[in-house]
Amino acid sequence: NAGVMQNPRHLVRRRGQEARLRCSPMKGHSHVYWYRQLPEEGLKFMVYLQKENIIDESGMPKERFSAEFPKEGPSILRIQQVVRGDSAAYFCASSPSGIVGELFFGEGSRLTVL
Amino acid sequence: AQTVTQSQPEMSVQEAETVTLSCTYDTSESDYYLFWYKQPPSRQMILVIRQEAYKQQNATENRFSVNFQKAAKSFSLKISDSQLGDAAMYFCAYRSEYMDSNYQLIWGAGTKLIIKP
Repeated sequence: NAGVMQNPRHLVRRRGQEARLRCSPMKGHSHVYWYRQLPEEGLKFMVYLQKENIIDESGMPKERFSAEFPKEGPSILRIQQVVRGDSAAYFCASSPSGIVGELFFGEGSRLTVL
Repeated sequence: AQTVTQSQPEMSVQEAETVTLSCTYDTSESDYYLFWYKQPPSRQMILVIRQEAYKQQNATENRFSVNFQKAAKSFSLKISDSQLGDAAMYFCAYRSEYMDSNYQLIWGAGTKLIIKP
């Protein structure tokens, strides 16, 4: 059973461009979570999605950031008009449900904005 | 608001020896969960150990054990017989029992563990 797959692992964008990060959850998992990790900091929750629904986006910046988890295909975190402050590692996690202790993380996508 | 503090940005230990990573937290709640996660250089976060606050007994998973001091709000991780594969960032995390799901964890800043051969 493949783990949580994220791609790309590394993404470089210039200011003003768009960044798209993809996350394929583990097989059988219908809950996906996105986190951002700044250098020397812990993870910060961004958004929680189930298939075709955003359950909790309380951690998402109000502008430029969006996320989706379509019926078919991976979850996508989209950052429009990137700025240098968006440079971070973005992690995706999945779970079969919301039960404590069942988060499975991907290896992360590192975004660098020049 | 709850906070989690890891005061050791970096720790090093000789292979086969024991190391303790510290974590303190601040909360006014009585029921909650505490976690230690490991993030190896490959960057995939892995759950190491979990502790329920209502349990007095310290959680143990093979070479990993915790010292949970609820009154002191301390949750340290002890790694016995350290191995090279233990080298990673270690994150302490808190979750209130009143939160709907595990994703609402509050994370510490992490401790980088270096294993000396």
